[in-house]
Amino acid sequence: QVHLVESGGGVVQPGRSLRLSCAASGFTFRNYGMHWVRQAPGKGLEWVAFISYDGSDREYVDSVKGRLTISRDNSKNTLSLQTNSLRVEDTAVYYCAREGGDGTHYYPDYWGQGTLVTVSS
Amino acid sequence: EIVMTQSPATLSVSPGERATLSCRASQSVSSNLAWYQQKPGQAPRLLIYAASTRATGVPVRFSGSGSGTEFTLTISSLQSEDFAVYYCHQCNNWPRTFGQGTKVEIK
Repeated sequence: QVHLVESGGGVVQPGRSLRLSCAASGFTFRNYGMHWVRQAPGKGLEWVAFISYDGSDREYVDSVKGRLTISRDNSKNTLSLQTNSLRVEDTAVYYCAREGGDGTHYYPDYWGQGTLVTVSS
Repeated sequence: EIVMTQSPATLSVSPGERATLSCRASQSVSSNLAWYQQKPGQAPRLLIYAASTRATGVPVRFSGSGSGTEFTLTISSLQSEDFAVYYCHQCNNWPRTFGQGTKVEIK
């Protein structure tokens, strides 16, 4: 059974940093690409970042380029998101999600329960 | 960036009725479109991928159609557990993008 558990959220001042983690189990982590998706309070879903199964390919939404960095440790079945220079508008629940696929189509299939990041002075 | 536009923003439906949700892409995404359901305080749940394929365990009352720029999610007979927010998501181009969501509420 696929299980994704995020951690590392909290309250942080603007300009500071936070490192989010996602512990994966129930599947062969090293075979799957992974995403971070966030949701500001009362708002919709915003895709943030993707990393390929081996870490060789990374994609980001423009608003976080240069500030947020996605990475993974396949030996520890862990996905990470290093968030630097945080802004008030980064306040959100951050979800990790697995990239599923049928060989032709690829899409986030399983999601964790999320971790809340609040950026406030 | 591909902009995904969902309509309506809110849909009021009585239990047992049919609900039709629309999603439009600003440029073609082929059939690389997924639909998610989200209930308050919960993570999104995958319903449909490849525009029309139901995910594992999804009831048959959920169906997806469309390709290119126009997509539809249909719930044939709404059950109480279906009242939620629904998002479309294009998986064709980077950056990936979501629609703003359609809230299906009880009429």
